[in-house]
Amino acid sequence: GQNIDQPTEMTATEGAIVQINCTYQTSGFNGLFWYQQHAGEAPTFLSYNVLDGLEEKGRFSSFLSRSKGYSYLLLKELQMKDSASYLCAVREGDYKLSFGAGTTVTVRA
Amino acid sequence: GAVVSQHPSWVICKSGTSVKIECRSLDFQATTMFWYRQFPKQSLMLMATSNEGSKATYEQGVEKDKFLINHASLTLSTLTVTSAHPEDSSFYICSAGHGGNTEAFFGQGTRLTVV
Repeated sequence: GQNIDQPTEMTATEGAIVQINCTYQTSGFNGLFWYQQHAGEAPTFLSYNVLDGLEEKGRFSSFLSRSKGYSYLLLKELQMKDSASYLCAVREGDYKLSFGAGTTVTVRA
Repeated sequence: GAVVSQHPSWVICKSGTSVKIECRSLDFQATTMFWYRQFPKQSLMLMATSNEGSKATYEQGVEKDKFLINHASLTLSTLTVTSAHPEDSSFYICSAGHGGNTEAFFGQGTRLTVV
């Protein structure tokens, strides 16, 4: 099994940067994913890391350190529509994902 | 990206009845699909792994006789909540992999309310 920890809530202002940390413990690591989920909707894929380092995709970046069991999701130039829950998920094997409890990000004007 | 379709989007049923939820991979074949449950303000909890042509693998604490899973083809998995009770009210989401090191694709989710 895994222990996946991420903060419960974060608040930031429009235009700012927010970093969401995720730590994990797993026996068979095969990739770390970040998903965005708006209330009442299914998660949507944001990023994927399997090797150490930074992956950048527009305003969103994700970092992974396998030796430390650590990842973060960086959201830049925050917009109101970025208010959502952000889920860190660890994959074991080919497809099985285990999710953290999610971080609710609130963007204020 | 690949498309996973889940139906229905929402359903209200009476306590004691059964509800079937379908999960289809529309443009790829999925030998494995996953069923998750999400209670309000909580994360997704894996219920079971659905394997095409064989029995599903259930996570600890999930009653396999209550949550029946059938994966009869490479594009369809169904979850039947039998003898539903109000505490089964939740958001149920399926996902399917697309092979290799890619993300899992999620269905739209089904909001089940048992009254």
